[in-house]
Amino acid sequence: AQKITQTQPGMFVQEKEAVTLDCTYDTSDQSYGLFWYKQPSSGEMIFLIYQGSYDEQNATEGRYSLNFQKARKSANLVISASQLGDSAMYFCAMSHPASGGSYIPTFGRGTSLIVHP
Amino acid sequence: EPEVTQTPSHQVTQMGQEVILRCVPISNHLYFYWYRQILGQKVEFLVSFYNNEISEKSEIFDDQFSVERPDGSNFTLKIRSTKLEDSAMYFCASTQKGLAGIGEQFFGPGTRLTVL
Repeated sequence: AQKITQTQPGMFVQEKEAVTLDCTYDTSDQSYGLFWYKQPSSGEMIFLIYQGSYDEQNATEGRYSLNFQKARKSANLVISASQLGDSAMYFCAMSHPASGGSYIPTFGRGTSLIVHP
Repeated sequence: EPEVTQTPSHQVTQMGQEVILRCVPISNHLYFYWYRQILGQKVEFLVSFYNNEISEKSEIFDDQFSVERPDGSNFTLKIRSTKLEDSAMYFCASTQKGLAGIGEQFFGPGTRLTVL
């Protein structure tokens, strides 16, 4: 069964510093996707970044980058130059083939990030 | 910018009652999803819908749940006889290409369901 592990329940970072949120996954599928979402205290789910299993280059979106290490099955999120507004819950997720032939996601338990001024 | 909308934002119901949660996905999207997030826990996939039928469903999505796309814009989740443990935030999401296809999945703001 597919599994996503986020080992850091909480992380603290100083404003303007970079922070890495860890995510490891377990799958026997060759084709899958890795996602990161941000959930602020207001509750909405905000897409941050995506990496496909066949993508050779690490994905980047502004201050977000995904450190994809396929052999180690890790997909860590790096936030550069943290801002106070980055304080939120961060979820790693993996889309993978399901029995019906389409893809479904499995989410990790999340990491709570607090950015200090 | 187009967005997924959900109504109501908060629904309170008595145990055993039926509830219908409504979603309007982004208009040119083809794949639709419902998720559940019990307070303080991870997001759980419930069901995906494509081409007017369920494409995948999780173990959570039992006979008490159903989905429907009654017209060209709405996508609904019905819980026939609510239980206390159905209390959660329910998110609707849509994508243009499906999760294999990659890319961004747009989430709605969620409906908080409270079962008393």
